[in-house]
Amino acid sequence: TQLLEQSPQFLSIQEGENLTVYCNSSSVFSSLQWYRQEPGEGPVLLVTVVTGGEVKKLKRLTFQFGDARKDSSLHITAAQPGDTGLYLCAGARYQLIWGAGTKLIIKP
Amino acid sequence: DADVTQTPRNRITKTGKRIMLECSQTKGHDRMYWYRQDPGLGLRLIYYSFDVKDINKGEISDGYSVSRQAQAKFSLSLESAIPNQTALYFCATSDRRTGTDGYTFGSGTRLTVV
Repeated sequence: TQLLEQSPQFLSIQEGENLTVYCNSSSVFSSLQWYRQEPGEGPVLLVTVVTGGEVKKLKRLTFQFGDARKDSSLHITAAQPGDTGLYLCAGARYQLIWGAGTKLIIKP
Repeated sequence: DADVTQTPRNRITKTGKRIMLECSQTKGHDRMYWYRQDPGLGLRLIYYSFDVKDINKGEISDGYSVSRQAQAKFSLSLESAIPNQTALYFCATSDRRTGTDGYTFGSGTRLTVV
């Protein structure tokens, strides 16, 4: 049973479009992390959100932690081919609980 | 040099063979982890170690063993490899002072068992 559900599992869009990726759970987390993984490499941490309702921005990427600390979203504005990759969310409890990932392809 | 180095990067082995995957880190982190990644299943924890004398099983430890030779080194062994252990294996580290924030991953080992 996946404790963290990511959606969509796969997304292919054109350069310049906007998109949102979701990470949902019925469990409360002390924090939630987002990673990006490129082919042949390990995941790289993008951001950690800690407070319910927290919003963090990283250039064109906006991350939000739900008020109840059970869910999170990643919004990308004006997607670029360099955003292509596997996006993983991970919720912190005693250990990190991982979502299965969203594979994102941005076509030029 | 990478903060977390995994060797080998790729390995093909036969069913029944013993194989060791190695991980070393220069982050100075005390916590180290071994994960496997399969398409559609995400990252699953095999073993973790919070310091040299502390080894803990993760959710899928059967068929695997580990050794923490030093703070900077954590190896994963498959005692008798089987085809369903074909996967991408990652080592990761974290700092106890920051809890579960910010894992640093190696580049992975792609293991194929034939």
